[in-house]
Amino acid sequence: DAGVTQSPTHLIKTRGQQVTLRCSPKSGHDTVSWYQQALGQGPQFIFQYYEEEERQRGNFPDRFSGHQFPNYSSELNVNALLLGDSALYLCASSSGGVAEAFFGQGTRLTVV
Amino acid sequence: LAKTTQPISMDSYEGQEVNITCSHNNIATNDYITWYQQFPSQGPRFIIQGYKTKVTNEVASLFIPADRKSSTLSLPRVSLSDTAVYYCLVGDPYSGGGADGLTFGKGTHLIIQP
Repeated sequence: DAGVTQSPTHLIKTRGQQVTLRCSPKSGHDTVSWYQQALGQGPQFIFQYYEEEERQRGNFPDRFSGHQFPNYSSELNVNALLLGDSALYLCASSSGGVAEAFFGQGTRLTVV
Repeated sequence: LAKTTQPISMDSYEGQEVNITCSHNNIATNDYITWYQQFPSQGPRFIIQGYKTKVTNEVASLFIPADRKSSTLSLPRVSLSDTAVYYCLVGDPYSGGGADGLTFGKGTHLIIQP
């Protein structure tokens, strides 16, 4: 079982650009959540996808959007990148509630 | 959501038992207490979850008093590899059909010395 896999592991983008991050959930999991973790802070919930729909959203602007595919994998898109978007982006998968979420290694995004 | 308070940092030595206490005075009836561990540049890893009294697994124990206003994560015989950030989370894992995201605070940075 590969667990939760995210790609790419590192990424450098310029302000104003757009970025797409990808996540494959743990086998058997149908729910994918995305988190942003700034340096020295705990992860902050962005949104969750279930049955290809955004089911819940944290306090993030519309520049952050996502998608879930029929195979349960997911993408996080961020438009009009700001320097403040530099962070570790984490994907977590779960099934039937979030009692135990499995996290990927994350994608380190640097905006310059 | 119930707010949690935990120490910013703790130090201990290899072979010792480490107890990290989390306060959650406003915990709701349906809330569970969950602990995650995170190493640098990695995603958090689930350690343990409990509702009341004591829960034990192969990694840790979780002690929850009757009033549930606090909880203590106990790590037996720690090693250098237990150096990490430990997060205490309180919430209803089934709220909104499980759609509510996990709420992380700043966590406790545990440093284990030889």
